[in-house]
Amino acid sequence: AQKVTQAQTEISVVEKEDVTLDCVYETRDTTYYLFWYKQPPSGELVFLIRRNSFDEQNEISGRYSWNFQKSTSSFNFTITASQVVDSAVYFCALSAGRAGTALIFGKGTTLSVSS
Amino acid sequence: NAGVMQNPRHLVRRRGQEARLRCSPMKGHSHVYWYRQLPEEGLKFMVYLQKENIIDESGMPKERFSAEFPKEGPSILRIQQVVRGDSAAYFCASSRYGEETQYFGPGTRLLVL
Repeated sequence: AQKVTQAQTEISVVEKEDVTLDCVYETRDTTYYLFWYKQPPSGELVFLIRRNSFDEQNEISGRYSWNFQKSTSSFNFTITASQVVDSAVYFCALSAGRAGTALIFGKGTTLSVSS
Repeated sequence: NAGVMQNPRHLVRRRGQEARLRCSPMKGHSHVYWYRQLPEEGLKFMVYLQKENIIDESGMPKERFSAEFPKEGPSILRIQQVVRGDSAAYFCASSRYGEETQYFGPGTRLLVL
C-alpha cells in the first residue's frame, strides 16, 4: 500500500529562519512520483514541484529546495529565509509511476511564519 | 492562461438536497480528478475521469455520489440527499494526457445545514 507521512503537524518560525518540512513515503512501486503542494490561507492548492523516482538530484528554486533520498524514502522541503507569505499548509503527495493515477497525500504541515 | 475553474466556490445546502459541483479543466487538459478535503482526514482521492469515461472511481462513496465529464462542458460531481458529513472542500484537478502533474482548482466549500 502507498502511504505518505508528514510527522510535523505544525511548525512556527520567525521571519528569516530556515525551516525544513519532512515527508516520508511508502510504496512498492519501483517507478513513482513525489509532489509538494502549498495551500495558503485563501484555500487553493498550488503545485510546487514534482520529482520522479529515478531522479535523486536535489532541486533548488529560489528560497525553496528539495532533498530526495530513496535510501530513507524521504522527500524533504526546505524554505530558506522564511517570509510571512510562506505561511500555509504544505502537502507532500505520492503517485504511482504512470499518468492518471490518484495522488496519495500526507496530512499536511501547517507552517506559521511571524514577523 | 486560465487555470482550473470550479464553481460555485461556496455552496450551502440543507440535509436531503442535491449538490452539484462543476469543474472546467485547464485548456489542453483531458483528465479530471476529484478530491475531498475533510478536516480530520486530509485530502482524499474520489474519482478520475476522461471525456465521457470514468476511469477510476475507487475513492467514491458507493451511494449518493456520482461524477461525469461529458463530451462538451464541465465535469460535474453530484451529491444526492446531502448529509452533514458531506460538508467539506471538494477540489478538482486536471492534467494533460500522459502527464503526471495534476493542477488544482480553488475548490468548492460545501456546507450542509
